[in-house]
Amino acid sequence: GAVVSQHPSWVICKSGTSVKIECRSLDFQATTMFWYRQFPKQSLMLMATSNEGSKATYEQGVEKDKFLINHASLTLSTLTVTSAHPEDSSFYICSVTGLAAGVQETQYFGPGTRLLVL
Amino acid sequence: LAKTTQPISMDSYEGQEVNITCSHNNIATNDYITWYQQFPSQGPRFIIQGYKTKVTNEVASLFIPADRKSSTLSLPRVSLSDTAVYYCLVGGPHNTDKLIFGTGTRLQVFP
Repeated sequence: GAVVSQHPSWVICKSGTSVKIECRSLDFQATTMFWYRQFPKQSLMLMATSNEGSKATYEQGVEKDKFLINHASLTLSTLTVTSAHPEDSSFYICSVTGLAAGVQETQYFGPGTRLLVL
Repeated sequence: LAKTTQPISMDSYEGQEVNITCSHNNIATNDYITWYQQFPSQGPRFIIQGYKTKVTNEVASLFIPADRKSSTLSLPRVSLSDTAVYYCLVGGPHNTDKLIFGTGTRLQVFP
């Protein structure tokens, strides 16, 4: 399967600041990347679908101006949490799919980024 | 997207076989069934995927009856390290189709 990395693995920031999270596909051309958010003891919630070179598609209830997604290349997507507030504290996880994948392949997930907003 | 229903939690002991059943009554003709494992503070890890009948790999087996309205993930001889949350998902055949996670099953393995 694909090797996916995220950076940073954890971040603490003050309320009102912006935080950028990177998702990299290390050995895989990721034409599509997904961003999820997971609160403690809860399941993953899909935030948006990101296709390389085009605008992201956001799920209902996710503010696109607050969660900026850029998928500029086949190996990198970024999620920027703008003007973060304590309620944005969560575990953010990306996943990738792409050109090398067939029916038997599926989404491969990154290790996640823990965000704590004070 | 088909909704899935799984038991919230299961307990087992080391060395036992564990079967986790997932219900997906509204599965579409083109949907595949995929299982993921997630440890705390980690991203989900792909376990197995299937469309019908039985699929087996080095870590698990997936049983899918003819009507495909349910599926069972079978973990042979679990160990303490299998303690995790297991998610059953159904989705389209295209790898770009989005996946919607349900509640998952929290498996606790005891010594």
